[in-house]
Amino acid sequence: NAGVTQTPKFQVLKTGQSMTLQCAQDMNHEYMSWYRQDPGMGLRLIHYSVGAGITDQGEVPNGYNVSRSTTEDFPLRLLSAAPSQTSVYFCASSYSLRGPYGYTFGSGTRLTVV
Amino acid sequence: GESVGLHLPTLSVQEGDNSIINCAYSNSASDYFIWYKQESGKGPQFIIDIRSNMDKRQGQRVTVLLNKTVKHLSLQIAATQPGDSAVYFCAEIGSGGGADGLTFGKGTHLIIQP
Repeated sequence: NAGVTQTPKFQVLKTGQSMTLQCAQDMNHEYMSWYRQDPGMGLRLIHYSVGAGITDQGEVPNGYNVSRSTTEDFPLRLLSAAPSQTSVYFCASSYSLRGPYGYTFGSGTRLTVV
Repeated sequence: GESVGLHLPTLSVQEGDNSIINCAYSNSASDYFIWYKQESGKGPQFIIDIRSNMDKRQGQRVTVLLNKTVKHLSLQIAATQPGDSAVYFCAEIGSGGGADGLTFGKGTHLIIQP
């Protein structure tokens, strides 16, 4: 099925560990982005990409790195996990920054840092 | 700072009634707005979008109204059904500088009473 696929769905890390959250889309969308959602809050933008080879920071980029080597994939790397990074992470893609049809979101990765 | 927010954290409606969810935004440069529905444990799901050159847009059982004068956005759901129970977020993108991604409000939890 076409859409945005995120892996893993759940992850527990120890403080200081690193890991990569995977995101792939098969809709040939140019725009991809990562958000985090904390309890009782809306989503906040971490990093985004307007096309392969182009990335930029969002509202809360500290502690995260991204790269975009292909149109399909946009992995998010946690360099040294901290408890403050416990959150649900969503990847989204779109034809362009301003849609149309909004952004398609993945089902999320629930990350716990202990 | 500029933000997008919702007036009420919880809205309870009777099944079959119409629901109205409100959203206020402060960035007068915002030019693209989206409503999302998020069910428990899932990613946000696109409902409807509207651009700043429009006042109203209709979809299946949903209508979005945009009042740029008072910077207010609303989502109307007709004949609310049990499956409409979810958290609803408004999101916006500004036409100005800054991070190029969605700014989300905190969300309104829509509860459907039988």
